[in-house]
Amino acid sequence: DIVMTQSPDSLAVSLGERATINCKSSQSVLNSSNKRNYLAWYQQKPGQPPKLLIYWASTRESGVPDRFSGSGSGTDFTVTISSLQAEDVAVYYCQQYYSIPPTFGQGTKVEIK
Amino acid sequence: QEQLVESGGGEVQPGRSLRLSCAASGFTFSSYGMNWVRQAPGKRLEWVAVISYDGSNKYYADSVKGRFTISRDNSKNMIYLEMNSLRPEDTAVYYCAKLKELKQMASWFDRWGQGTLVTVSS
Repeated sequence: DIVMTQSPDSLAVSLGERATINCKSSQSVLNSSNKRNYLAWYQQKPGQPPKLLIYWASTRESGVPDRFSGSGSGTDFTVTISSLQAEDVAVYYCQQYYSIPPTFGQGTKVEIK
Repeated sequence: QEQLVESGGGEVQPGRSLRLSCAASGFTFSSYGMNWVRQAPGKRLEWVAVISYDGSNKYYADSVKGRFTISRDNSKNMIYLEMNSLRPEDTAVYYCAKLKELKQMASWFDRWGQGTLVTVSS
């Protein structure tokens, strides 16, 4: 199974400041034939199901604010919130869908400083 | 709009069985693979099982293989999770989740239900 490891486990950022979350996979999730990274990011608020933010490592889901962006390739990925808003307080998960079983990172909790 | 609604959760004793259901609406259900994903209290998301769009292929997490069975009824837009020999470590919120890509077994999850809580305790 591909192990997904996120860092940090939690971070506190001031409103309007940048938040950066990292995700590392134990093996590459880049498909060499189509040059796509099989990596998604989700946001989960308390008492709610996860909400898709980004897929193919950098493609924003429809309706997701453009302050959210994804980057990276191979085994190292990042999601960035360019200007943190109060409604962004949540736990963020990365997930690989390169192989079955799909696996998730342990989550990163984002709070307001 | 696309919607998934789970039901069937509850408290059950170790070793007993439970059947979860997920009702889908707002999309062409028979064209998409469907999954169960669970989340134990305070823990990360854990994928449980996937069933192909036509029900012909199924995969399970090692932690539930041989105990859980995923199935679907495309005439009713429903998926199910039959859970046998339940253990305390199966305690979690169980989410039904839809795969984004048409007729694929591996893709990202673009729609999630609200979840149903399963508690395994004596």
